[in-house]
Amino acid sequence: NAGVTQTPKFQVLKTGQSMTLQCAQDMNHEYMSWYRQDPGMGLRLIHYSVGAGITDQGEVPNGYNVSRSTTEDFPLRLLSAAPSQTSVYFCASSYSILPPNEKLFFGSGTQLSVL
Amino acid sequence: GQQLNQSPQSMFIQEGEDVSMNCTSSSIFNTWLWYKQDPGEGPVLLIALYKAGELTSNGRLTAQFGITRKDSFLNISASIPSDVGIYFCAGPAGGTSYGKLTFGQGTILTVHP
Repeated sequence: NAGVTQTPKFQVLKTGQSMTLQCAQDMNHEYMSWYRQDPGMGLRLIHYSVGAGITDQGEVPNGYNVSRSTTEDFPLRLLSAAPSQTSVYFCASSYSILPPNEKLFFGSGTQLSVL
Repeated sequence: GQQLNQSPQSMFIQEGEDVSMNCTSSSIFNTWLWYKQDPGEGPVLLIALYKAGELTSNGRLTAQFGITRKDSFLNISASIPSDVGIYFCAGPAGGTSYGKLTFGQGTILTVHP
């Protein structure tokens, strides 16, 4: 099983450029989310979705857009990249948001540098 | 936003030693989750805790849900080199907001052979 697949693995952008980080899961999970990881700050929630057509903001949503047109895919869009968005981005999914099925499965991450 | 404070921030130990780390919150949590992140990979769930006082083991790992519901502990016995990584605690934001997981800042573990 592929699990949670993120592409690309690495990306370098110039300030002001836009791009989309892709995330797909093949586990039929309803819940998907995006986190960013910065040194010493753990993982911070950007956006999440509890099902197709439903998205909501997390802790640090500014500068990012999401949509969920299918159960499998949850892309993250950077509209105008800024150096402050340099980070490692993780997509995660789970069967449900309620215990005991709330356990998150993570992708392997996208390392993004904005110059 | 809700913060989880992990201690210590980093640990340097010899192979074979036992490890203890903890996670505290100012709010009551209904769930505590412990994750491990290997270098270059995403976090992987180690242990999930759902009841105050609960003690759960996964091999050499043991985690406890604190009685006050504001803390949790993770112990690793007889450490080995593959235990190297970052250990995160996590729980629903604000203690009960499922769908929004809050993570601690992590404990970086280094094991010397």
